This record gives sequence, C-alpha cells and structure tokens, in this order.
Amino acid sequence: DSGVTQTPKHLITATGQRVTLRCSPRSGDLSVYWYQQSLDQGLQFLIQYYNGEERAKGNILERFSAQQFPDLHSELNLSSLELGDSALYFCASSSWGRAGGNEKLFFGSGTQLSVL
Amino acid sequence: KNEVEQSPQNLTAQEGEFITINCSYSVGISALHWLQQHPGGGIVSLFMLSSGKKKHGRLIATINIQEKHSSLHITASHPRDSAVYICAVPNFGNEKLTFGTGTRLTIIP
Repeated sequence: DSGVTQTPKHLITATGQRVTLRCSPRSGDLSVYWYQQSLDQGLQFLIQYYNGEERAKGNILERFSAQQFPDLHSELNLSSLELGDSALYFCASSSWGRAGGNEKLFFGSGTQLSVL
Repeated sequence: KNEVEQSPQNLTAQEGEFITINCSYSVGISALHWLQQHPGGGIVSLFMLSSGKKKHGRLIATINIQEKHSSLHITASHPRDSAVYICAVPNFGNEKLTFGTGTRLTIIP
C-alpha cells in the first residue's frame, strides 16, 4: 500500500462530459503529481502541485485543470471529454520540498477513464 | 526536453536468470527513477538514484552520470518479477518527469 488514495478506480462516461478524479496524498507529503498513461503516448506528466500551489506543468490540455485543497487532497478535472482522453490517470505524491525528503514517488492505483 | 530510451522493449527469460534492463537519456540529470508497473496496472517506485548503485533485495540499480546511462538488474529472477519496468528522468529539477517506453519482462517458470 503506497498510502496514496485515488478515486474512483473506474469511470465510464460519454464524449462532451466532465469528470473529476480525486487523489489523497501520503500522510505528510505536500507534493502531488498527476500523470496520464495512454496506449499510444505512454506515461506523461500532467501537472504538479505543492502545498496548494501549482508548481510545474507538463502536457496538460486546456480542457483539463487541477487544484490542491488546504487538506492537501487534489482533484483533476477533465471537461469536454473526447475519445482520445481515455487513459489511465495516476496521481503520485512525494516529500519534494520538505527538508530531508528523499523525493521518491508514491503512486495511487490509478483511475481508468473510458470515454465512449 | 530529455529523451529517454530503454532497451530491450520486451524480454522473456527463464526463472533464475540474471536480468538487465538499460536506460539512456540525453540531458544531464540530478536523479533517475526506476518504476515497476504490475500487470494489474499499479505503479511502484523501485529506486530513485543520483549516483553509484542502490540495492533492494534481488534488485540492483546503477547509474553512470557521465555516460548518461542507468541499468536495472534482477538477480535470481522469479515469475512474480514479470512486469513492465520504466525509467524516468526529470526535465527540470525533479518535478517534470520524462518516461521511457518501458521494458516488458516475462519470467517463465
């Protein structure tokens, strides 16, 4: 058990819809990362939050947004969904930014999104 | 952007064999990650290393910063080691990771 909780595990929705994926980081970790894994693109970094602030941005579409709340849980919002958004979405947390942190990543079990 | 290449893409071996998976990257880095993705999809971080060698059980990871190359070794391989192994390197600090395409390892009993 990594200590990172992602919900839901599976999500099936239709094109044009909006969904929210949720992530609770490991206790004490301030950094949360979101990744997308698709069959054709592999794993890609989407965005990182650190203690409520956006820290780094990767290949995240404008239709996607994220935030980290004061209790450190994070949500990834995907809107105007397209067939190509079907993928496995992972969140991870680390001790990055914390003094003495070793920055190893701890992954949630992922959310499998299917857009029909 | 850091380019990451892994080899081989697929590897099938008999139980007990010594396994080596390689990772090369194009831009100097501060640290490299080795990840294991199980057939069920879950990802586990195996190592994060910035120099030398790290060992955990039957797994050994090495990195040569000058040659921009890392290897993951598995000794006395077992069918439960069957998984996809992925290396990842940062583009800027440790925030943005670029991932290799992975090595699919199958260990036959």
